[in-house]
Amino acid sequence: GAVVSQHPSWVICKSGTSVKIECRSLDFQATTMFWYRQFPKQSLMLMATSNEGSKATYEQGVEKDKFLINHASLTLSTLTVTSAHPEDSSFYICSAAFRDYEQYFGPGTRLTVT
Amino acid sequence: DQQVKQNSPSLSVQEGRISILNCDYTNSMFDYFLWYKKYPAEGPTFLISISSIKDKNEDGRFTVFLNKSAKHLSLHIVPSQPGDSAVYFCAAPREYGNKLVFGAGTILRVKS
Repeated sequence: GAVVSQHPSWVICKSGTSVKIECRSLDFQATTMFWYRQFPKQSLMLMATSNEGSKATYEQGVEKDKFLINHASLTLSTLTVTSAHPEDSSFYICSAAFRDYEQYFGPGTRLTVT
Repeated sequence: DQQVKQNSPSLSVQEGRISILNCDYTNSMFDYFLWYKKYPAEGPTFLISISSIKDKNEDGRFTVFLNKSAKHLSLHIVPSQPGDSAVYFCAAPREYGNKLVFGAGTILRVKS
């Protein structure tokens, strides 16, 4: 099956610093990737759609200047959380569109901002 | 507006018995549905899907049933195994393209 990796799997950073999370599709090319956020005991919340070669589209209420997304190639999308604050602590998950409507998800990144 | 609803937050089933996870939707334009399984601190894993032109899709121990008139789908796991213990999300593509709308999830616990 399709494999999507994320790096790092876990990161702790100090308030005010920026953190970059990478999402890679390992065995297929993904023109579209998605970034989700999951709070404890809640569902996945779509943050933005990352399109290779063009700007990301953000869901309502998501600050695009705070969550910078770059889709530099057909296998790599990055999410940078800028000037992180404790309320940004969460589980961030990326996915890559594979076929039809199937999305394959990365293993997630646990971000803790102290 | 939550267009995909999973009203049961949790379900507990004995090993070997059937697990039935339910999902309701409100948007009659949805024409494809997916089930994902998620373990703690991991990304969701695609399990099974169904198109609205079908009312049943089976893959091994997993069967998804779709009742379009009731806007209801269910995932049946038979027989249930302890390794099936996870959170199960149903999802449907939103708008054109492939953005997914997820339900809130149901925690399945299979007791041995």
